[in-house]
Amino acid sequence: DIQMTQSPSSLSASVGDTVTITCRASQGVSHYLAWFQQKPGKAPKSLIYGTSSLQSGVPSRFSGSGSGTGFTLTITSLQPEDFGTYYCQQYNAYPYTFGQGTNLEIK
Amino acid sequence: EVQLVQSGAEVKKPGESLKISCKGSGYTFTNYWIGWVRQMPGKGLEWIGIIYPDDSDTRFNPSFEGQVTFSADKSINTAYLQWSGLQASDTAVYYCGRHVTGNTIDYWGQGSLVTVSP
Repeated sequence: DIQMTQSPSSLSASVGDTVTITCRASQGVSHYLAWFQQKPGKAPKSLIYGTSSLQSGVPSRFSGSGSGTGFTLTITSLQPEDFGTYYCQQYNAYPYTFGQGTNLEIK
Repeated sequence: EVQLVQSGAEVKKPGESLKISCKGSGYTFTNYWIGWVRQMPGKGLEWIGIIYPDDSDTRFNPSFEGQVTFSADKSINTAYLQWSGLQASDTAVYYCGRHVTGNTIDYWGQGSLVTVSP
């Protein structure tokens, strides 16, 4: 299985900040990398697919980049509603695998 | 509007069987895979596998193969996740999601909490 490792595991940032979350794959996944946001007690929400394509309705302050084994999710001009846990997922090879999650707290 | 509506919370005893459902609407159900994801209490997301409702083709995470079964009834736009003998370790929230072919989940169900306790 392809292992996905996110860093940091948690972070705290202020409204208006820019934050970056990193996701590293144990082997190349091409551009088949997605990002999800989950708030406590809620279903995940799909944010990005194909490394950098925004799902419908996702604000443009979210962006993704990378390829192969290294990827980043960047949130610019952080908003209060951006708190939650963020997960990356590779879907290049079965079984699809998720990172362990990054908990984003708004100061 | 695309929606996936899952069945409600369940409380079961070890060894019992269970089938939870995921009903799709607002799109052509047979044109998309349905994926299942587990989230154990306080833990992250785990990909269980996917089923293509049109022909019931499936892909399983080997970690779950033999532990659960997928099925689908395309006449009622519903996919199912089933256990034949639950264990306490199956206690979790289970999410379904719509998978675009060659892609990942774009829409998620609200989740079904399964509690297995003596």
